[in-house]
Amino acid sequence: DQQVKQNSPSLSVQEGRISILNCDYTNSMFDYFLWYKKYPAEGPTFLISISSIKDKNEDGRFTVFLNKSAKHLSLHIVPSQPGDSAVYFCAAHDRGSTLGRLYFGRGTQLTVWP
Amino acid sequence: DVKVTQSSRYLVKRTGEKVFLECVQDMDHENMFWYRQDPGLGLRLIYFSYDVKMKEKGDIPEGYSVSREKKERFSLILESASTNQTSMYLCASRQSTYGYTFGSGTRLTVV
Repeated sequence: DQQVKQNSPSLSVQEGRISILNCDYTNSMFDYFLWYKKYPAEGPTFLISISSIKDKNEDGRFTVFLNKSAKHLSLHIVPSQPGDSAVYFCAAHDRGSTLGRLYFGRGTQLTVWP
Repeated sequence: DVKVTQSSRYLVKRTGEKVFLECVQDMDHENMFWYRQDPGLGLRLIYFSYDVKMKEKGDIPEGYSVSREKKERFSLILESASTNQTSMYLCASRQSTYGYTFGSGTRLTVV
């Protein structure tokens, strides 16, 4: 059973507008959340993260929001650019795990059109 | 920055062949991981290793094995390649308390 869910397989946004990617999780032992970005034929690269003790983290055009009570996080990209077109994976760390395993969602394909 | 290198970007193998995918990281990281990525299924964990000669099964270990004889190298082995193992294979090393660094991936096609 998936512990990290990205229910939207794809999202299409016009350049300059906001992109909002969503992620839900079920495990209350998750203590750290990360977003990775992946272009075709490349490995995922780290984008932004947030600790469970915070509700917001910002880095330039990227902001991640965490709602622990709803077990929901979201990634906002403002303004969206064509180069942001990629697959975005949400990932979570289980503080009960001593082996550092991350749990990944299935990804959301973001397309930013001019 | 940590670098994770996968030896091949593209491979084509025949059904039944034994296939080795190699991954090397240039830091002294204990934890390394093998994932496969398939459309609509995301990243699925095959195996991971937390020290030399130590390994743990992930979520989809069937048809695969791993080898970690040295800390920097983690190999994924397809014992007898099948067409349903055609996929993108991604190796990762644990960069920090939480985050991974991924290699560029190996696109394996089994014919």
